[in-house]
Amino acid sequence: GQQLNQSPQSMFIQEGEDVSMNCTSSSIFNTWLWYKQDPGEGPVLLIALYKAGELTSNGRLTAQFGITRKDSFLNISASIPSDVGIYFCAGQSYLQKLVFGQGTRLTINP
Amino acid sequence: DVKVTQSSRYLVKRTGEKVFLECVQDMDHENMFWYRQDPGLGLRLIYFSYDVKMKEKGDIPEGYSVSREKKERFSLILESASTNQTSMYLCASLLVGWDRYTFGSGTRLTVV
Repeated sequence: GQQLNQSPQSMFIQEGEDVSMNCTSSSIFNTWLWYKQDPGEGPVLLIALYKAGELTSNGRLTAQFGITRKDSFLNISASIPSDVGIYFCAGQSYLQKLVFGQGTRLTINP
Repeated sequence: DVKVTQSSRYLVKRTGEKVFLECVQDMDHENMFWYRQDPGLGLRLIYFSYDVKMKEKGDIPEGYSVSREKKERFSLILESASTNQTSMYLCASLLVGWDRYTFGSGTRLTVV
């Protein structure tokens, strides 16, 4: 099936640092989504992107839909302890199936 | 808010057992999905259903089957559990025409 390559797989940062992660695909997607999963919970949607080139913010989070429609990035500014978790990118294609990246595990040292 | 409820948070089963994982959503969504989550592999689609009694294979359907007899309930079945099916299983639902998947909290299955 389709695959997304998400990097990095893990990050260890200090509180207050900025974070950047990205996803690339060999396929074009119509929608890019970014999810966060807290420990013991299911993923929750953070940001949805619908147009190539679109840049969208949600508080300290900023995400962009790549011009080629084959990539996306997520930035988190001024990280805080509650940002800890696993972040997933996802591309949406026909039949509204989601294809997920491998996830980025974020750990923050206070 | 839509709620997706998975019946068990943790399950331990023996090799060869038949295992049922249940998922119920309360918002009349047409589409429901089963994913498994493994470290380094992300979420991989096992099966999905876009209507009652309808099902489609995802990317990794081998060793699994599903049942959707009622709109609100989507069951994942492991006919004969094996140790390589030890994983976190996530159910999700989606309203047709929208992109907002809602996930359950997951069932962590261990097969011994």
